[in-house]
Amino acid sequence: QQQVKQSPQSLIVQKGGISIINCAYENTAFDYFPWYQQFPGKGPALLIAIRPDVSEKKEGRFTISFNKSAKQFSLHIMDSQPGDSATYFCAAETGANNLFFGTGTRLTVIP
Amino acid sequence: DTAVSQTPKYLVTQMGNDKSIKCEQNLGHDTMYWYKQDSKKFLKIMFSYNNKELIINETVPNRFSPKSPDKAHLNLHINSLELGDSAVYFCASSPDGNYGYTFGSGTRLTVV
Repeated sequence: QQQVKQSPQSLIVQKGGISIINCAYENTAFDYFPWYQQFPGKGPALLIAIRPDVSEKKEGRFTISFNKSAKQFSLHIMDSQPGDSATYFCAAETGANNLFFGTGTRLTVIP
Repeated sequence: DTAVSQTPKYLVTQMGNDKSIKCEQNLGHDTMYWYKQDSKKFLKIMFSYNNKELIINETVPNRFSPKSPDKAHLNLHINSLELGDSAVYFCASSPDGNYGYTFGSGTRLTVV
């Protein structure tokens, strides 16, 4: 079964707009929530990550919002740029090096 | 360069053949992985090795066998290749604890 549910499947945003990708999980044993960015022909690359003891983490234009009670977390990309066009994966991990990926969101930023 | 490197980048082969994909990491990480990415981009873990010991083996056909000669290498051997094995295979590594994974650039396997 899908351990981490991700939506939307695809997203088109105008340059300068905000991109929002949402994820949800059920397993309360997850204690690390990374986001990965994948460009065509490349492997996923760690973008930003959060632990469940904080509700928000910001790195530049990228912000993770985390709602522990709802078991949901989301990625916000502010001032989206064409160079942000990629596939984004949320993920969740237990302490046992067991990483589960969401199904991915294909983001297209239109100039 | 510190990285996870895997070879070859592309592999085209006929059904029934046996092939191998090599992976090496020079990050000093303790755990290495093989992931399969299908045509819909879904990433699914196949194997995980920690200090040369298999610690995860998901429901993967036994035609797939990981081999880890040392902590820095994790190779993937595939016997009797089938059309459905066509996918992109990613090697990754991570340190112990939750610090994120580093992925290789992938091997696109096409079985014809």
